[in-house]
Amino acid sequence: AQKVTQAQTEISVVEKEDVTLDCVYETRDTTYYLFWYKQPPSGELVFLIRRNSFDEQNEISGRYSWNFQKSTSSFNFTITASQVVDSAVYFCALSEDYGQNFVFGPGTRLSVLP
Amino acid sequence: EAGVTQFPSHSVIEKGQTVTLRCDPISGHDNLYWYRRVMGKEIKFLLHFVKESKQDESGMPNNRFLAERTGGTYSTLKVQPAELEDSGVYFCASSQIMSWVRGNEQFFGPGTRLTVL
Repeated sequence: AQKVTQAQTEISVVEKEDVTLDCVYETRDTTYYLFWYKQPPSGELVFLIRRNSFDEQNEISGRYSWNFQKSTSSFNFTITASQVVDSAVYFCALSEDYGQNFVFGPGTRLSVLP
Repeated sequence: EAGVTQFPSHSVIEKGQTVTLRCDPISGHDNLYWYRRVMGKEIKFLLHFVKESKQDESGMPNNRFLAERTGGTYSTLKVQPAELEDSGVYFCASSQIMSWVRGNEQFFGPGTRLTVL
């Protein structure tokens, strides 16, 4: 069975602090895909990153970085020097095949205070 | 290029009424997905179209929900009759067919917020 856990329901930080959002997944497949999406107050889901199970390289994109650890089934997301505009709900998602539906985590609401 | 669009953005109806939600995917995307988020819960998969065919409808909650994608372009999701527990945000997503290496990035629409009173 597939499952995605985001243990942090809500996080509040002050602007310029670093923050890490946790994502732990469960799957029996050896081929799978992991995603992070951002949902700002406007409501749409904005794609941030995709990782396939064969690529354990960590990735950095500006102030965002992702740490994929197959050994612990985790795909954590770090925002460095957070900004107020980072305030949103962040969803981690799992797909067990490249055409298949996503299983979403419950989301983490991040509030960045000025 | 236009993204995934959904109409309406909000809908307020009374229990027992019918509502039809529409999704226009990104042009050329064969895959179309419906998801919904009931208040306080996870975003849950409803169904998946490949062109006009239903590939997977295992997430549809009951037979009050009917999805169509005539001609393989836009899709509609009809709820008839609506119940209180159907309230939530309904998201549509689309994607191209991609390789196993690149996976399947789904582009989401802004969602339709449905409130059943």
